[in-house]
Amino acid sequence: GQQLNQSPQSMFIQEGEDVSMNCTSSSIFNTWLWYKQDPGEGPVLLIALYKAGELTSNGRLTAQFGITRKDSFLNISASIPSDVGIYFCAGRNNAGNNRKLIWGLGTSLAVNP
Amino acid sequence: DAGITQSPRHKVTETGTPVTLRCHQTENHRYMYWYRQDPGHGLRLIHYSYGVKDTDKGEVSDGYSVSRSKTEDFLLTLESATSSQTSVYFCAISESEGAMAGELFFGEGSRLTVL
Repeated sequence: GQQLNQSPQSMFIQEGEDVSMNCTSSSIFNTWLWYKQDPGEGPVLLIALYKAGELTSNGRLTAQFGITRKDSFLNISASIPSDVGIYFCAGRNNAGNNRKLIWGLGTSLAVNP
Repeated sequence: DAGITQSPRHKVTETGTPVTLRCHQTENHRYMYWYRQDPGHGLRLIHYSYGVKDTDKGEVSDGYSVSRSKTEDFLLTLESATSSQTSVYFCAISESEGAMAGELFFGEGSRLTVL
């Protein structure tokens, strides 16, 4: 099935550094979602974006809905050890619903204290 | 946290045996989903339900069946398990599927190993 291109695949950073990751699609989406998955747990929603150009923050996390509607970005500022995990993007187009959610393969983040 | 529990959390079984995974929710959400997660494939939708006794196939439904006799329970059955069905299975729920929807709440996962 269709998948999003999520990059980078993995990151290893020092505590306190900022992190950027992104997702791109060949299709236009009207919804972008960012989830985080801790080891042994299910994904948890971080940020939902519903409008092109939208910039939304959740604490140290900031996500943007790309103006072309084909990409989205997630930034984490001043990383801490509990940021470790896998970050997934997911997108949905105008004709879709949750059954049509397209998922990226994830960005694995490791933080060195 | 959304009230979603999956059982069993871990199971090892042999090829050819039937397996049923249970998802139970206490949120009274209408929509329920079963996903599998595999390295290199991410999350893939197996089946979903949009109400009691209303279910439909997802992207990778072959070899799986589901049932939903009550709002709170969504069962995933592997009639005859194969090694290719070794995976981590996640149940998810959603309150709505409108234009502003997309907020899936996931369970903790069920790790299934088929020998």
